[in-house]
Amino acid sequence: AQSVTQPDIHITVSEGASLELRCNYSYGATPYLFWYVQSPGQGLQLLLKYFSGDTLVQGIKGFEAEFKRSQSSFNLRKPSVHWSDAAEYFCAVGPKTSYDKVIFGPGTSLSVIP
Amino acid sequence: DARVTQTPRHKVTEMGQEVTMRCQPILGHNTVFWYRQTMMQGLELLAYFRNRAPLDDSGMPKDRFSAEMPDATLATLKIQPSEPRDSAVYFCASGMGGADNQPQHFGDGTRLSIL
Repeated sequence: AQSVTQPDIHITVSEGASLELRCNYSYGATPYLFWYVQSPGQGLQLLLKYFSGDTLVQGIKGFEAEFKRSQSSFNLRKPSVHWSDAAEYFCAVGPKTSYDKVIFGPGTSLSVIP
Repeated sequence: DARVTQTPRHKVTEMGQEVTMRCQPILGHNTVFWYRQTMMQGLELLAYFRNRAPLDDSGMPKDRFSAEMPDATLATLKIQPSEPRDSAVYFCASGMGGADNQPQHFGDGTRLSIL
């Protein structure tokens, strides 16, 4: 079955510390991979995507993610977290040749301590 | 920047009332999605359209929910009659589907409360 797992429901980090949010997926083929961020009261904003090629992808707001096929993972990282990064983060997977059925993970809530 | 526009942003109504939520997708996008977000279920896909034709509405309760695209600039999601369990945030998203997928762009949602 196709699924996305985000093992951490909630993470708290200090401002300036590094961040890694985990994402694992189960999918029949190499999927199209995304990370979205949702600030309170707003919709989901795309941070970055992986389609093919270099397995380390750069996104907006200083985020990056690494695709590891052997581990079925697509973890999101940021070297130094800012207070404004506090939000909900969603990993998602979808098929490469169609828009159908993009599957979202349950989300990880990030709190940042000043 | 082009944006997906949803109206209303907030809606409070009594159970049994009809609720209509509207979405203006980004101009040129051929695929429109409706999602529902709750604390318990997370983000659920209700239905989606491509080139205004419904492709999948299997996530939507058929007895009370309906989704339409009267034209390329408007998508609607209706609930009739509404029930308290429908309280949630409803998101519309649009994008370009096909051989070269592009990510979905989300609106800011309609926060619906059914009393």
